[in-house]
Amino acid sequence: AQKITQTQPGMFVQEKEAVTLDCTYDTSDPSYGLFWYKQPSSGEMIFLIYQGSYDQQNATEGRYSLNFQKARKSANLVISASQLGDSAMYFCAMSPDTGRRALTFGSGTRLQVQP
Amino acid sequence: GAGVSQSPSNKVTEKGKDVELRCDPISGHTALYWYRQSLGQGLEFLIYFQGNSAPDKSGLPSDRFSAERTGGSVSTLTIQRTQQEDSAVYLCASSLGGQGKETQYFGPGTRLLVL
Repeated sequence: AQKITQTQPGMFVQEKEAVTLDCTYDTSDPSYGLFWYKQPSSGEMIFLIYQGSYDQQNATEGRYSLNFQKARKSANLVISASQLGDSAMYFCAMSPDTGRRALTFGSGTRLQVQP
Repeated sequence: GAGVSQSPSNKVTEKGKDVELRCDPISGHTALYWYRQSLGQGLEFLIYFQGNSAPDKSGLPSDRFSAERTGGSVSTLTIQRTQQEDSAVYLCASSLGGQGKETQYFGPGTRLLVL
């Protein structure tokens, strides 16, 4: 079984500042992927970034980076230079690399970027 | 290219009626997933199709829920005798269906309201 925990229901950040959204996970799968999705008020789930459990380097995608600490079972999302358009719900998720690849999601963090 | 599409975008029905929700995955994606997002339960996996294999129905909450995928492409999720607790956003996602890194791309969802 897999479990994702996001302990920050809501976060505020000033425009142009960096923000870290926390995610911890638990799994018995030896190989897995970790994902972050953004869900704006429109409702669509937008893929942001992926980290494989055996990747040696932390993933980066533009202003998004993933601070992956495997021993601590954490996969925090860092958003640099926040923009007003970053205001949304952010979900951390994981899936095993084999078998049923369904995503297990955390409860989400609502990020509000303030001007 | 075209993303995952879902129809209808909104559906209002009366308790006890049947509803059908449609998902059109990204062309070439062999894996298709249905998820449900509700206020009380967060994001839950419902069912998973991979190629011609038998679907993984382990997430379906009751036998009122069923899904099929015709020709390895379009999928229909059917809810029979709808109940008020079925009110939620139903999200469909697709992925390439290979090994290793597998990113799921989501459609805009169908918002179901059961009166």
